[in-house]
Amino acid sequence: GAGVSQSPSNKVTEKGKDVELRCDPISGHTALYWYRQSLGQGLEFLIYFQGNSAPDKSGLPSDRFSAERTGGSVSTLTIQRTQQEDSAVYLCASSFGSGSGETQYFGPGTRLLVL
Amino acid sequence: GDSVTQMEGPVTLSEEAFLTINCTYTATGYPSLFWYVQYPGEGLQLLLKATKADDKGSNKGFEATYRKETTSFHLEKGSVQVSDSAVYFCALSDLGTGNQFYFGTGTSLTVIP
Repeated sequence: GAGVSQSPSNKVTEKGKDVELRCDPISGHTALYWYRQSLGQGLEFLIYFQGNSAPDKSGLPSDRFSAERTGGSVSTLTIQRTQQEDSAVYLCASSFGSGSGETQYFGPGTRLLVL
Repeated sequence: GDSVTQMEGPVTLSEEAFLTINCTYTATGYPSLFWYVQYPGEGLQLLLKATKADDKGSNKGFEATYRKETTSFHLEKGSVQVSDSAVYFCALSDLGTGNQFYFGTGTSLTVIP
């Protein structure tokens, strides 16, 4: 009965370095979502997976951002050549399906600070 | 495109006061509407939801009614408690966008004894 888990919980990196953020969804959930929450802002959609495929990558802010999901389970969000404006909390959510009305269950987030 | 607009905070209320947090939406299809809550130091969790017009979602004394005619989903509670202090997010999901959620900017609520 574990919920969505994310790692690391906190990450401090230097500008220009690459970072990988990991998300473990709830077992059996086929849909997985990444969001970004900046200070004082709402949640910004980044990318959505149904199984291992990503039908909607429209929210990725730049080509420095990429994500993959393998085995229909774990997902990693990679940010290359990090910039200070990438500092934010990155949230992962999963849902059983992708139909309207499906509840998304959120992980605790990874707090990223780019110095 | 789809979007959610919610009342800006922060909101400060005394215990047992009545709470309303306004939320209106724009959607091209027939969205489902949600309220999520984020307690201090915790992750987002679902508070309540409604999947069609005139549905009322309720949980922990909170209520919200899906009003298609006014495109609104206002959150209400008759008597708030200190433990309700949190940030509240209104959100919608639209099947046409693969259940992508559109979130409001959040409303911070502080309840003082």
